[in-house]
Amino acid sequence: SQQGEEDPQALSIQEGENATMNCSYKTSINNLQWYRQNSGRGLVHLILIRSNEREKHSGRLRVTLDTSKKSSSLLITASRAADTASYFCATAGGTSYGKLTFGQGTILTVHP
Amino acid sequence: EAGVAQSPRYKIIEKRQSVAFWCNPISGHATLYWYQQILGQGPKLLIQFQNNGVVDDSQLPKDRFSAERLKGVDSTLKIQPAKLEDSAVYLCASSPREAGELFFGEGSRLTVL
Repeated sequence: SQQGEEDPQALSIQEGENATMNCSYKTSINNLQWYRQNSGRGLVHLILIRSNEREKHSGRLRVTLDTSKKSSSLLITASRAADTASYFCATAGGTSYGKLTFGQGTILTVHP
Repeated sequence: EAGVAQSPRYKIIEKRQSVAFWCNPISGHATLYWYQQILGQGPKLLIQFQNNGVVDDSQLPKDRFSAERLKGVDSTLKIQPAKLEDSAVYLCASSPREAGELFFGEGSRLTVL
């Protein structure tokens, strides 16, 4: 079964707005990663946050991790039409170090 | 640097036929993964290699799926015989280290009729 569960399943916003996606997981982790997938393409790594980190930034991306609540959020600021894609969280570690388990994903649509 | 190469990109077969997918990871990446992604779902790990040894194949349907990674570089994933529910995209990914970021190929889309 999938470790991470994303919420919402789908998100539709206007260009320039912020997009927030959430991920919850069940077991202890070594790190949590976020990936983007454009339609018909492979996944692209966005950001990795370790279990001892609480927040990480990369360009317009901000990721937070709350290990006490077993949850993470991905914030995309000032969204663009090109951000339209599916976003997945993936967890690594616990008893299966190295095994990366993906959630079901959030479909983000950014309207011009 | 060259990315992860996969072939074929598309394959259509009849049920009960066999199919093989090939993956060439990024040079120097010791860890290689095969994922299955059914339409509308997240990728599901089939098998993980560290060099040419299997680390995890707990979700690989071993009665019909097999995978190998000879010499710790290229890998092939085979399905024999295929079932309708095997229709999916098969993604190969590599990583320079365990639990690190994954680099994915474009995937091989399989349709079983």
